[in-house]
Amino acid sequence: GAVVSQHPSRVICKSGTSVKIECRSLDFQATTMFWYRQFPKQSLMLMATSNEGSKATYEQGVEKDKFLINHASLTLSTLTVTSAHPEDSSFYICSARDPTGDQPQHFGDGTRLSIL
Amino acid sequence: QKEVEQNSGPLSVPEGAIASLNCTYSDRGSQSFFWYRQYSGKSPELIMSIYSNGDKEDGRFTAQLNKASQYVSLLIRDSQPSDSATYLCAVKGAGGTSYGKLTFGQGTILTVHP
Repeated sequence: GAVVSQHPSRVICKSGTSVKIECRSLDFQATTMFWYRQFPKQSLMLMATSNEGSKATYEQGVEKDKFLINHASLTLSTLTVTSAHPEDSSFYICSARDPTGDQPQHFGDGTRLSIL
Repeated sequence: QKEVEQNSGPLSVPEGAIASLNCTYSDRGSQSFFWYRQYSGKSPELIMSIYSNGDKEDGRFTAQLNKASQYVSLLIRDSQPSDSATYLCAVKGAGGTSYGKLTFGQGTILTVHP
């Protein structure tokens, strides 16, 4: 079964709306979660690393004030796309890794975000 | 910039054949390598992980790693139409700002035709 749960699976909203996406680790406590974005026919691009109890680490070119990340517990990270515009439309995917041992990352089911 | 390169394909093989997917990476210090399968509109699903040189087999899948050549491959035996998907090679960063992060290749589109 799924080890990482992501919600919602799809969002369609108007330009200027803020959208929150949740990512939960189900079987383990994840001190670190990752947020990716994938445009059509492209690979996954890491946006930021979410760290429990501290600030997220953003990749170069990703606006931290636009993509707000909160990792308030060991099983939940949220990504909020603030004042979304059509160019923010994409497939957003979170992942988490069981920190015990050298475990691979497992992905949530992704969120298809469409901004009208 | 750490890079992971894959042939984008598409790779087309007949049902029952062996599909061979290749990946090269630039970070010589990397120790962890992964193959993910991604169906259209879905998120990636872990197929194989490999950490040591040589072959690792799991059912119809075999991952091969050669750290000296900075090369990792995935073989799919007895390919089935349900194997048709995009296969993503991912390499975990070994140090510096890339430590613990996955870098993905652009993916290889595999089509298995009946």
